[in-house]
Amino acid sequence: KNQVEQSPQSLIILEGKNCTLQCNYTVSPFSNLRWYKQDTGRGPVSLTIMTFSENTKSNGRYTATLDADTKQSSLHITASQLSDSASYICVVIASNDYKLSFGAGTTVTVRA
Amino acid sequence: NAGVTQTPKFQVLKTGQSMTLQCAQDMNHEYMSWYRQDPGMGLRLIHYSVGAGITDQGEVPNGYNVSRSTTEDFPLRLLSAAPSQTSVYFCASTEIGQLHGYYGYTFGSGTRLTVV
Repeated sequence: KNQVEQSPQSLIILEGKNCTLQCNYTVSPFSNLRWYKQDTGRGPVSLTIMTFSENTKSNGRYTATLDADTKQSSLHITASQLSDSASYICVVIASNDYKLSFGAGTTVTVRA
Repeated sequence: NAGVTQTPKFQVLKTGQSMTLQCAQDMNHEYMSWYRQDPGMGLRLIHYSVGAGITDQGEVPNGYNVSRSTTEDFPLRLLSAAPSQTSVYFCASTEIGQLHGYYGYTFGSGTRLTVV
């Protein structure tokens, strides 16, 4: 069964600090990996999309990395802002399927 | 361009009642899907469709029905609501050819359903 595991489950950081979220997956054969941001009461919004050949992709202060060999990804948030408080979800798609596999998400709380 | 529109935003049902959650998109996306989101769990796929007239089951289809008579609409029906169906429901869509590409997957804003 294709699985996506995220860690930590939640974290609290001070405004201006950096943090890194982890995603491990067993999805195979791999097509692409996506990171989504979900604000409370809203639907998820795409941050980055990476295919097999990509190691790093940035979107502003968000930088995602992918190691397809070890099936691991990370999302790094630089100089956090209060608006970064949200749940961050890792999503992986198999190349032979139409279904997305979702991680349970990491809840990030940024405090002033 | 409204994206993916879900209605209603909130709903309270009594056990045994039926209802339909509406989902509409104006992007001409072939692929549409329904998910439920429960605390501490990732989004779980209920049903999906790769085009009008074509639907298939996801991970947790029991208790739910879908149909796809047009490209734009993908309603989710609860036949006889149960407390276990209390959840937040999301509809999402994308171009079928971009599911494995760089095109974003567009989510609606969700329907919060409580079954008492």
